[in-house]
Amino acid sequence: GAGVSQTPSNKVTEKGKYVELRCDPISGHTALYWYRQSLGQGPEFLIYFQGTGAADDSGLPNDRFFAVRPEGSVSTLKIQRTERGDSAVYLCASSLIPARMNTGELFFGEGSRLTVL
Amino acid sequence: EDQVTQSPEALRLQEGESSSLNCSYTVSGLRGLFWYRQDPGKGPEFLFTLYSAGEEKEKERLKATLTKKESFLHITAPKPEDSATYLCAVQDNYGQNFVFGPGTRLSVLP
Repeated sequence: GAGVSQTPSNKVTEKGKYVELRCDPISGHTALYWYRQSLGQGPEFLIYFQGTGAADDSGLPNDRFFAVRPEGSVSTLKIQRTERGDSAVYLCASSLIPARMNTGELFFGEGSRLTVL
Repeated sequence: EDQVTQSPEALRLQEGESSSLNCSYTVSGLRGLFWYRQDPGKGPEFLFTLYSAGEEKEKERLKATLTKKESFLHITAPKPEDSATYLCAVQDNYGQNFVFGPGTRLSVLP
């Protein structure tokens, strides 16, 4: 597809379970961002990848959250021991241009809605 | 720490009734200010980038302006299809991420 693809679109899990959220960026986009968005709020930064490396992970809230991008394309956000407060929409965005040179045009996916019961 | 606030939280307009949305920011050296539109159930969609005070950008019924402390998104003669949440974001000269505000939820009634 031409856009950023995120799977699953919806995930319901129980407190304490492990979840993985996948992001497939636009082909050729080296910059990849994860954000999470709670109802009525703006997106909150989690982590930024440039290529395979995490260039900025300052937004990850604690060590239950981890993200990888082993081949510089698809990325997986991993959440261990989920808590009810983790419920949110997790957004992925990609860009052809690295963050420090970016004109601000990030291409977002439709998000993965995570509900922790 | 970079901060972005937006007002009003929600705005309801009649079709054709022009208005402005406000984005106030605090950053240690602004690299860029960005406006996005977000429809329900969708990811944000890029609209504009502004880099320096006095700069203006236009797209159809939307015009974005920038001062040293805030940005305005002016909507002229809005149509129902302009209904969406409008998000403002900033990037400073030192970090790599984009800091988003909470958004303004705009409803344009026919």
